[in-house]
Amino acid sequence: DIQMTQSPSSLSASVGVRVTITCRASQAISNYLAWYQQKPGKVPKLLIYAASTLQSGVPSRFSGSGSGTDFTLTISSLQPEDVATYYCQKYNSAPRTFGQGTKVEIK
Amino acid sequence: QVQLQQWGAGLLKPSETLSLTCAVYGGSFSNYFWSWIRQPPGKGLEWIGEINHSGSTNYNPSFKSRITISLDASKNQFSLKLSSVTAADTAVYYCTGGLPNMTMVRGVINYYYYMDVWGKGTTVTVSS
Repeated sequence: DIQMTQSPSSLSASVGVRVTITCRASQAISNYLAWYQQKPGKVPKLLIYAASTLQSGVPSRFSGSGSGTDFTLTISSLQPEDVATYYCQKYNSAPRTFGQGTKVEIK
Repeated sequence: QVQLQQWGAGLLKPSETLSLTCAVYGGSFSNYFWSWIRQPPGKGLEWIGEINHSGSTNYNPSFKSRITISLDASKNQFSLKLSSVTAADTAVYYCTGGLPNMTMVRGVINYYYYMDVWGKGTTVTVSS
């Protein structure tokens, strides 16, 4: 089965800073990669699908890129409301595995 | 827009069977793929398994023969059963869904979908 590895596992950054999270698949998955945001105590929410397509209603400071095995989620200007754990997920086939998550905090 | 409402027993004893149901409102039940995902306390998301409109299932190998996902199209509901639970099965369980697209490679059909609809989650605790 394909494994999904995120880095870093956590980060702390100041408001307004650019933040990048990486997700690596153990085998190529084309662009079948989604990103989810889970705020503390809340249900996960779809942010990005097809590696780079923003879900409706998601702020434009979020962006995604990559294809094959290497993907990134970027927050161009970190805001206090972005405090959350972010998960990548491969969805091209079962098992539809998640990365272990990246916790984002404000410094 | 599609909404999911889930329910089931929240407290189980070791060796019992976890049983959760998810009802689908406001959308075409038969067009979606439906999944169950869980999250142990303080940990990440784990995909458990899925079912499509025709009742075909895929399961996470980690659950081996303990898991059954089924659906009742007449009620627009799908369900999860996980047998022989232990404390390690303590988690928040989410029902989710997505509209599939399809590819065909060398005559093999593959469905892919991301999860844009989520239930609110059910906390299941396994304790003696």
